[in-house]
Amino acid sequence: AQKITQTQPGMFVQEKEAVTLDCTYDTSDPSYGLFWYKQPSSGEMIFLIYQGSYDQQNATEGRYSLNFQKARKSANLVISASQLGDSAMYFCAMRERGTGNQFYFGTGTSLTVIP
Amino acid sequence: DADVTQTPRNRITKTGKRIMLECSQTKGHDRMYWYRQDPGLGLRLIYYSFDVKDINKGEISDGYSVSRQAQAKFSLSLESAIPNQTALYFCATSDLRAGYNEQFFGPGTRLTVL
Repeated sequence: AQKITQTQPGMFVQEKEAVTLDCTYDTSDPSYGLFWYKQPSSGEMIFLIYQGSYDQQNATEGRYSLNFQKARKSANLVISASQLGDSAMYFCAMRERGTGNQFYFGTGTSLTVIP
Repeated sequence: DADVTQTPRNRITKTGKRIMLECSQTKGHDRMYWYRQDPGLGLRLIYYSFDVKDINKGEISDGYSVSRQAQAKFSLSLESAIPNQTALYFCATSDLRAGYNEQFFGPGTRLTVL
């Protein structure tokens, strides 16, 4: 079974609007971390936001927030007030303590911001 | 200066050739990783190392080998390259003691096997 599932291969959003990128995960480990990375067309991987499995509140970093629904095993990324520079691939990832803190990545969502 | 560097950045080689991709880091992290990225498949783990004496296979280690020469250096070798190893390769580091133990990535090496 896939550890991380991203079901949206491509998404479009109007500039200045908010967008939600979906991520579901599969683990039986009580201790895990969830991450989102951005990959612009230049190729580098940029860390955006982190949510720990024991965190009570949803993580926020500037215009990025993580909608963490533990019972549903979902960790959706919300980008508010989209900008043209947000156009990129976005990857959801999980780290499990039980597997020696290995990382598992989803297949990514390509986001295009329309002017 | 970049904290995680990869050489070469681009490489074109022929089927059957041996090739080495190198990764160096100045972050002082113990853990280093090699991933490959293919369109539609995301990042898949090839090998990882939690310290100089610890090497572990990842999801797709067949056809690859690694060497952890020092804490700061982790190289990936393709003993006999084949066309389906054409991909973007990333080195990454992390440290359990730092931040969220997130992964810090190098800029990537684009490898083409003809």
